[in-house]
Amino acid sequence: EAGVVQSPRYKIIEKKQPVAFWCNPISGHNTLYWYLQNLGQGPELLIRYENEEAVDDSQLPKDRFSAERLKGVDSTLKIQPAELGDSAVYLCASSRNTGELFFGEGSRLTVL
Amino acid sequence: QKEVEQNSGPLSVPEGAIASLNCTYSDRGSQSFFWYRQYSGKSPELIMFIYSNGDKEDGRFTAQLNKASQYVSLLIRDSQPSDSATYLCAVGISGNTPLVFGKGTRLSVIA
Repeated sequence: EAGVVQSPRYKIIEKKQPVAFWCNPISGHNTLYWYLQNLGQGPELLIRYENEEAVDDSQLPKDRFSAERLKGVDSTLKIQPAELGDSAVYLCASSRNTGELFFGEGSRLTVL
Repeated sequence: QKEVEQNSGPLSVPEGAIASLNCTYSDRGSQSFFWYRQYSGKSPELIMFIYSNGDKEDGRFTAQLNKASQYVSLLIRDSQPSDSATYLCAVGISGNTPLVFGKGTRLSVIA
């Protein structure tokens, strides 16, 4: 069974530029999560999808962040414009209805 | 505000010893508890989960849960240098609710 796939693995951009991250969850996992992880910190939830519906996005900075999960499978997380403080690892995870999360390798963003 | 607290470490133990990692949580309604291991530069991977009070053993790993004290721990027996990583405690209210993660405890097993 293929794991959660994320791309790109690394992205370096200048501040004020846009950036997008893509995630393909494990087949059959209806719940998809985007977490942000800063160095030395645990993952922090940005948004959670149940199929194509965003059911928990209270921690998503909606002035610059947006996400979508069309057709309830792949998801894209976008930042526009990026700020220096957005430098972090963006983790995508998926799960069935058990709460056990399976993470992708993450997308490491550096904003210069 | 749901909080999950862990000592950031580093926790250093000699090879072959028992490593004890601890976690406390603030929400008494929490029902599911997970331990993830994260190697440097890698993503978290699930080690164990526990839902009921008491101990749950899986190989060299034992998870312990005490809901009255709002405390969950992970014991690693016969620690190996390959166990050196950051261990993240994660707590959920129930079922498919989003997990809240602690900051993690960095474990170093010295050969």
